[in-house]
Amino acid sequence: GAGVSQSPSNKVTEKGKDVELRCDPISGHTALYWYRQSLGQGLEFLIYFQGNSAPDKSGLPSDRFSAERTGGSVSTLTIQRTQQEDSAVYLCASRGGGARQETQYFGPGTRLLVL
Amino acid sequence: AQSVTQPDIHITVSEGASLELRCNYSYGATPYLFWYVQSPGQGLQLLLKYFSGDTLVQGIKGFEAEFKRSQSSFNLRKPSVHWSDAAEYFCAVGAAFGNEKLTFGTGTRLTIIP
Repeated sequence: GAGVSQSPSNKVTEKGKDVELRCDPISGHTALYWYRQSLGQGLEFLIYFQGNSAPDKSGLPSDRFSAERTGGSVSTLTIQRTQQEDSAVYLCASRGGGARQETQYFGPGTRLLVL
Repeated sequence: AQSVTQPDIHITVSEGASLELRCNYSYGATPYLFWYVQSPGQGLQLLLKYFSGDTLVQGIKGFEAEFKRSQSSFNLRKPSVHWSDAAEYFCAVGAAFGNEKLTFGTGTRLTIIP
C-alpha cells in the first residue's frame, strides 16, 4: 500500500513569510508525528497526534510553529514569520494506533529553505 | 530524559568488509530501540527494532543488532557490506509508554570504498 507522503518536497521562502507543510499518513494509522532534521540539531521531535486526544506539542521550538490534524488523517505543520534558522528537512511519520511496539513509518520529508 | 549517542560521525569501510556501528542509549526503563537508514534525499527506512525477547535481532538487508543492557548499547552489524549500503545510519530510542516519540542519535555516515 501507499506510504507516508509529504508535500511539497521542497520549499523556498523569504524570511518573514508563513509556510504550510502537508503530511498524508498511511491509511488507518492513528498516530502521527512531526520531526525536524537540521544540521545543527540533528533529528528532533516536534509534535505528536494520537486519535482524538490533545496533541503533545512539547517539541515545538517556538509559538511560531503550530500543527493540526483534520479528520484524524492529513496533518499540516505551519510555520509563521519564518526565520533562517527554520531551514531544515521536516519529516512526518505515522504509526498504527493499535498495540504498542508498532513501527513509525517516515515520509520523504519537505526540505525548507528560508532566504 | 532519554538520549542516544552515536560516537562515530563518519566511518569508511571497504566493500566486502564487516561493519559495526556503535550506539549507546540512556533511558530509565526498558527501551524500545531502532536503527534507521537514510539515503541522500530520502526519508528514514527502518532496518530493525528491539522491543523485548531475544537480544539479537535481525533486520533487512542483512543487518543485525544486539541489545546489551549491561552496556546500554545497541550496536548494528553486517558481516559483509555492499556499495549500496553507503548512507547515514541513525539509532533511536522510544518510550514504552506515552507518546512513544523517538529520540535519535546524531547519525553515522557510512562510506564504502572499492
